[in-house]
Parts: sequence; C-alpha cells; structure tokens
Amino acid sequence: NAGVTQTPKFQVLKTGQSMTLQCAQDMNHEYMSWYRQDPGMGLRLIHYSVGAGITDQGEVPNGYNVSRSTTEDFPLRLLSAAPSQTSVYFCASSGSGETQYFGPGTRLLVL
Amino acid sequence: RKEVEQDPGPFNVPEGATVAFNCTYSNSASQSFFWYRQDCRKEPKLLMSVYSSGNEDGRFTAQLNRASQYISLLIRDSKLSDSATYLCVVNRGGGNKLTFGTGTQLKVEL
Repeated sequence: NAGVTQTPKFQVLKTGQSMTLQCAQDMNHEYMSWYRQDPGMGLRLIHYSVGAGITDQGEVPNGYNVSRSTTEDFPLRLLSAAPSQTSVYFCASSGSGETQYFGPGTRLLVL
Repeated sequence: RKEVEQDPGPFNVPEGATVAFNCTYSNSASQSFFWYRQDCRKEPKLLMSVYSSGNEDGRFTAQLNRASQYISLLIRDSKLSDSATYLCVVNRGGGNKLTFGTGTQLKVEL
C-alpha cells in the first residue's frame, strides 16, 4: 500500500513549456485534489475531483488542467508554464472521512 | 482578511515546555476543523481533528471556540521531534474542500 505517489519529485521548466504532474493513489479514494504551496500563502486548492469523470475548479485554477479517467489517477497539466507557477505541488486524496492524505510533493521551478 | 489566520512564529521553546498556538477563521459557517503537521520539505499530515467539546491525544490538546471563531492547539512536555510547522485547517462544508492557514513554526531546543 503506497498511499499517494507523485512524480516527478523535481522539475525545471522554461517559460512556455508544458508538462504533466502525475498523481496516483491506491486507497480507492473517491476524492482527490491538487494544491500548491508558496511561502506565506499556505496551501491553495487548484482543482479537485469527487470521483472518476468529475472535476471542478478550486481557488487558483488558471493555467492548469486536470482530468480523472480512473479512480486511481489524477494528473495535473501545466499548459504553458510561467514563472508564477514556480511552487511546490501536493496531490491529496480522501475517502469517506475528511482526512486528506498527501503525496510527497513535486518541486517545480519555471525559468 | 485571510480565511484562516495563524501567527507564523517561529516559536522557540526549550524541551519540556508547554506551548500553545491559536488560529482564527472568518467563515462562521465552517463545519470541521483540524490541525495538520508539516515537517520541513515534507507533505502535511493530519495531527488531530478538533471537536466542539475539545479533545486530547497524548500530549496534544485541541480546543474550538465557535463563538469567537478560534481554534487552539496545546502541546505539553515538548520534544525535539515536535519541531515542525503546524497548519490550522478548516472545512467550510460541502465536500472535502479544505482551507489551510499559512502555518505556525515550532522549534523545540535543548
């Protein structure tokens, strides 16, 4: 039981490049979400999903896309990376309770 | 005004001390409350939920004051391993959309 996994751990992008951050969970959780964490800002919700095929926007969705084709996977796509997207990205999942289980994070630097 | 506000610290305390953190939230309709712990460069992990009647888990005690809209966390007999950032978290209801405070940093010293 690996919990929530994220890849890659680190990534450097140039402005304008696109990439996908991967997130997977093996706990059969229906709810999954993506957060970004910036100094002095706390964790902010980007997108979330309440089940396969259902996604919705969070607090800071601009510049990001998500899809949820399976219960296990919830990838986050950066369409055209900008320096403002330099951050630490956390994926989380939760089941019937409210406890959210976080992945180890992806550290992204956009030059 | 931020929806969830915390003193960022750092709180530097000697081992064995008692330390308390407070957190205020702005949305009176908030339904659930939590403390998460985050170690340096790691992911947040649930420390404890906060119930209206107050609750205790070993050296940790959480309190909720709905009238004043604040949440507290008390740590007794601090250990070096308690050094971390403590995140106050609120669920406004309507699913699992949590709102996180910016965190309070605790450093426990010898």
